[in-house]
Amino acid sequence: DVKVTQSSRYLVKRTGEKVFLECVQDMDHENMFWYRQDPGLGLRLIYFSYDVKMKEKGDIPEGYSVSREKKERFSLILESASTNQTSMYLCASSRLSSPTNYGYTFGSGTRLTVV
Amino acid sequence: SQKIEQNSEALNIQEGKTATLTCNYTNYSPAYLQWYRQDPGRGPVFLLLIRENEKEKRKERLKVTFDTTLKQSLFHITASQPADSATYLCALPYTNRDDKIIFGKGTRLHILP
Repeated sequence: DVKVTQSSRYLVKRTGEKVFLECVQDMDHENMFWYRQDPGLGLRLIYFSYDVKMKEKGDIPEGYSVSREKKERFSLILESASTNQTSMYLCASSRLSSPTNYGYTFGSGTRLTVV
Repeated sequence: SQKIEQNSEALNIQEGKTATLTCNYTNYSPAYLQWYRQDPGRGPVFLLLIRENEKEKRKERLKVTFDTTLKQSLFHITASQPADSATYLCALPYTNRDDKIIFGKGTRLHILP
C-alpha cells in the first residue's frame, strides 16, 4: 500500500522557534507538495518540488522554506514560528506526469499549534 | 488563476438516497478535474478523475459528470450510506496542463440513518 508519512500528528511549539515538519513517501514519486488547511480557507499550497533539490513557491510561501535532499523526503521549515502559522499541515506526492491518473496521495497531516 | 466554488453549506441526505455535490469553476477549461474525500483530522483521499473529453465517469456507487460549457462538475453518490459522510473536495489544475492542482473548499456531506 502506497504511503506518505508525516513525522508528527500533533506538535506544539513556541513563538519564534524554528520548526521542521518532515514528510516521506515510498512510491518513488517525483512531485511533492506542502499544503496548509484552515477552516473556511481550504487547502492552500505553500511549496512544491518536482525533483531533488528543486523547489517552487506556491500561493503562501511567506514564513516558510523547504528542503528536498532526497527524492523520498520533503521537509517544511518554519523559520520563526508565529501564532498565525497554527494550522493543519498536509504533505502530498504524485507522479510527475500523471496526477491525472492517480491523483495526489496525502499524508495524515500534522496539526501544529504555535503558542 | 482558476477559482473553484463548492457549496459551503453542509448537505444532509437521507440514507439510501442519491447525494449530489456541485463544483463550479471560472476562467479556463481544465484538462481534467478530480474529486477527493476527506474525513475529519485526516488527509484527502483521491476518488475519481474525469478528463475534459469525458462527459461521465463511474466507480462503484460514485458518478462524476463534467460539463465544460457550464463549467461545472457534479459528483453523485447513489444508495448513500452513513459511512459516506465526509467532506468532498473538487480539484483542478492551476493552468490548463499543469501538474499542480488547486482545491475547492469542499462540501460537508451528512448521510442521515
